[in-house]
Amino acid sequence: DTGVSQDPRHKITKRGQNVTFRCDPISEHNRLYWYRQTLGQGPEFLTYFQNEAQLEKSRLLSDRFSAERPKGSFSTLEIQRTEQGDSAMYLCASSLRQGNSPLHFGNGTRLTVT
Amino acid sequence: AQSVTQPDIHITVSEGASLELRCNYSYGATPYLFWYVQSPGQGLQLLLKYFSGDTLVQGIKGFEAEFKRSQSSFNLRKPSVHWSDAAEYFCAVGADSNYQLIWGAGTKLIIKP
Repeated sequence: DTGVSQDPRHKITKRGQNVTFRCDPISEHNRLYWYRQTLGQGPEFLTYFQNEAQLEKSRLLSDRFSAERPKGSFSTLEIQRTEQGDSAMYLCASSLRQGNSPLHFGNGTRLTVT
Repeated sequence: AQSVTQPDIHITVSEGASLELRCNYSYGATPYLFWYVQSPGQGLQLLLKYFSGDTLVQGIKGFEAEFKRSQSSFNLRKPSVHWSDAAEYFCAVGADSNYQLIWGAGTKLIIKP
């Protein structure tokens, strides 16, 4: 179990730029989740994949956000035309398919939009 | 409405003292309950979970939690805290799909030497 890894750890970008984050889940996990977390809050669900299929998207995920998991392994989250309100920690998690298998989180990507 | 309340934003405890972090929930069905811990700048780590059975569950790092259906609570406890326990603790409630987890706002634990 090498854990969930996310890249980069930190990203500073100017408003209006596009950014892309990568998540590598635990290899045997077929579910992958993206969450957003702002200071003093718990994680907010953004989207989740089962294998390569994106099965659920939150209303928080505006059309500037897109997530992919093309081969059912790693995933990318892209934010286009970033806004200051996008500044947050973006967390990736993975789990097994069964019921409430616990989430295993990566260390997150902290995005700062200036 | 479904919700999770962690009434304490911050808690300060002396090293070696006991700890209880509160979690109350409002949920329509029998919930699955989780406690996660987050160290600064890190992701979240599962401490323990309750699905069914014995209402007192043991977790990692010496933590335990007790599910009390009548009080809609799932409080986290530790008999003696260590400085390394300083972190933020999140309670979460769910049904049968992890993406539907409802998270509390977290309780930040500060340890006094």
